[in-house]
Amino acid sequence: KQEVTQIPAALSVPEGENLVLNCSFTDSAIYNLQWFRQDPGKGLTSLLLIQSSQREQTSGRLNASLDKSSGRSTLYIAASQPGDSATYLCAVSNTGTASKLTFGTGTRLQVTL
Amino acid sequence: GAVVSQHPSRVICKSGTSVKIECRSLDFQATTMFWYRQFPKKSLMLMATSNEGSKATYEQGVEKDKFLINHASLTLSTLTVTSAHPEDSSFYICSARDFVSGGFNQPQHFGDGTRLSIL
Repeated sequence: KQEVTQIPAALSVPEGENLVLNCSFTDSAIYNLQWFRQDPGKGLTSLLLIQSSQREQTSGRLNASLDKSSGRSTLYIAASQPGDSATYLCAVSNTGTASKLTFGTGTRLQVTL
Repeated sequence: GAVVSQHPSRVICKSGTSVKIECRSLDFQATTMFWYRQFPKKSLMLMATSNEGSKATYEQGVEKDKFLINHASLTLSTLTVTSAHPEDSSFYICSARDFVSGGFNQPQHFGDGTRLSIL
């Protein structure tokens, strides 16, 4: 059974700092990995999707990497802004059940002025 | 970009009431939609996979008679919480994937969620 863990559970950084969020998964037979952002009381916004054959994806100030063999992904946020404050979730879909996503517990990020 | 609309955003009702939540894909067709439940400060737990024109597939431990799912068209899935009780209070979120455009490597798009409170 796939298990997804995110560290740290919460993080507070001053504006402008670069930061890294971590995601690890126990079953490396994944189809893809997706990073989401969730604002309080809201649904999820898809940030980046990395296919199993890819090593990284970039969108603006965000860069996500994937090391499938070690069961790890990182989300790098450059030059953080207060508007980046949210909970960040990673989720994996496994081969064989490619439609289903298994979510991590999330990292709650606060960027302070 | 792909948009998923979920309605209502919040429901407060008495114990014993049945509540229907709608999930619509606004600019793409979704043969499959997903229903999740999220407890406070917890991650999302998949409840069921909604398949257009056929029965939903429920995850282990989810009561199908309690959580009725209907996916009658390519753009609409509904979740009905029947005879709701306080323990059913939670945040329910749906998602859909534009499978036609790119299959399993298309990202899932999520609705804004429904906050259900049963008194």
